Amino acid sequence: KAGVTQTPRYLIKTRGQQVTLSCSPISGHRSVSWYQQTPGQGLQFLFEYFSETQRNKGNFPGRFSGRQFSNSRSEMNVSTLELGDSALYLCASSLVQQGISYNEQFFGPGTRLTVL
Amino acid sequence: AQSVTQPDIHITVSEGASLELRCNYSYGATPYLFWYVQSPGQGLQLLLKYFSGDTLVQGIKGFEAEFKRSQSSFNLRKPSVHWSDAAEYFCAVGVFSGGYNKLIFGAGTRLAVHP
Repeated sequence: KAGVTQTPRYLIKTRGQQVTLSCSPISGHRSVSWYQQTPGQGLQFLFEYFSETQRNKGNFPGRFSGRQFSNSRSEMNVSTLELGDSALYLCASSLVQQGISYNEQFFGPGTRLTVL
Repeated sequence: AQSVTQPDIHITVSEGASLELRCNYSYGATPYLFWYVQSPGQGLQLLLKYFSGDTLVQGIKGFEAEFKRSQSSFNLRKPSVHWSDAAEYFCAVGVFSGGYNKLIFGAGTRLAVHP
């Protein structure tokens, strides 16, 4: 079974632009979460999608948004890029099972975004 | 509030030496605990996890971790380190709330291995 895939792997943008990152979960996984990793703030939860609905969002400005499609693939978008948005963006998928209180997350390789 | 603390930012060990990476967590309910490893430019690979049961958990690559509820700790150990273990290690607690789950990570410990 293929793992979580993220595209593109590397991206360079300039301040003020917007960017869209893509994540394809493991087949059968319906939950997709996004995390931002920076040297200063570490790994931080961005948001989680399940069945095309955002169930929760971390403490990030509205410039960060996302969506999930009917095939569980997810995209996240960052508008009006700032230098501080330079980070590794990680996507994780999980198999949501009824009666299981915590569902393990499987991570993709990440997208390295550099904002100049 | 939930949090994870990894007190050691950098650790250097000699190849063949034993290793212990510390992790303390703060969480009001039964914790789901994880250790991940990240090599440069890579994503996160799960080393091991604790959900319940035996407090000594075995993982991949010869790693193990012990859950100690009284100390709110989940330290990672390896009896003999290999040069390929040089990487960054993250401890995390899985939070289940409102029907969704997320991971709260520690700041990470960067491991260097001397030959």
